[in-house]
Amino acid sequence: GQSLEQPSEVTAVEGAIVQINCTYQTSGFYGLSWYQQHDGGAPTFLSYNALDGLEETGRFSSFLSRSDSYGYLLLQELQMKDSASYFCAATNQAGTALIFGKGTTLSVSS
Amino acid sequence: GAGVSQSPSNKVTEKGKDVELRCDPISGHTALYWYRQSLGQGLEFLIYFQGNSAPDKSGLPSDRFSAERTGGSVSTLTIQRTQQEDSAVYLCASSLSGQGADYGYTFGSGTRLTVV
Repeated sequence: GQSLEQPSEVTAVEGAIVQINCTYQTSGFYGLSWYQQHDGGAPTFLSYNALDGLEETGRFSSFLSRSDSYGYLLLQELQMKDSASYFCAATNQAGTALIFGKGTTLSVSS
Repeated sequence: GAGVSQSPSNKVTEKGKDVELRCDPISGHTALYWYRQSLGQGLEFLIYFQGNSAPDKSGLPSDRFSAERTGGSVSTLTIQRTQQEDSAVYLCASSLSGQGADYGYTFGSGTRLTVV
């Protein structure tokens, strides 16, 4: 089976840095994806890590360690608009579709 | 189209009725996915279509659920004899290819289904 575990909630203040962790158990692993979903909105793709290490895209960075079955999403210079749910995801055993974690709700306050 | 289009955006149906949900993917995207998201929950994989290949139906929760994709484009998800536990947001996504993880999925805004 496959599962991805992430914290259910994280809170932070504007301007801060927050890290959302994701640990996974998969029968086969291709890479780790991250998606953002605002309340009532569609999930949007943030990043994909196929290889170990850090990928940086503006204020957001994503990290993967295959040996530890672990990854994280790092959000810097937090803004109120970053309040949303963040999902990590990995390809299923058949290699056909993403399996998602239950999501982490990030609340950013002023 | 410019994005993934789903219709209807909202659907209220009586228990026991059949419903059809429609998804129009991005033009040129060969892979299409259906997911279900219950309130405050993650995304539950339902079915995957890739080109003319046989779909991966492994996520369909029961035989009341079925989906088809005509002409490699528009897809319809059908739920027969709806039950209250079917109430959820049904999300459709498409990607450039079956290796969509690296390019990312583009999701539609979903159909919110309420079974009363």
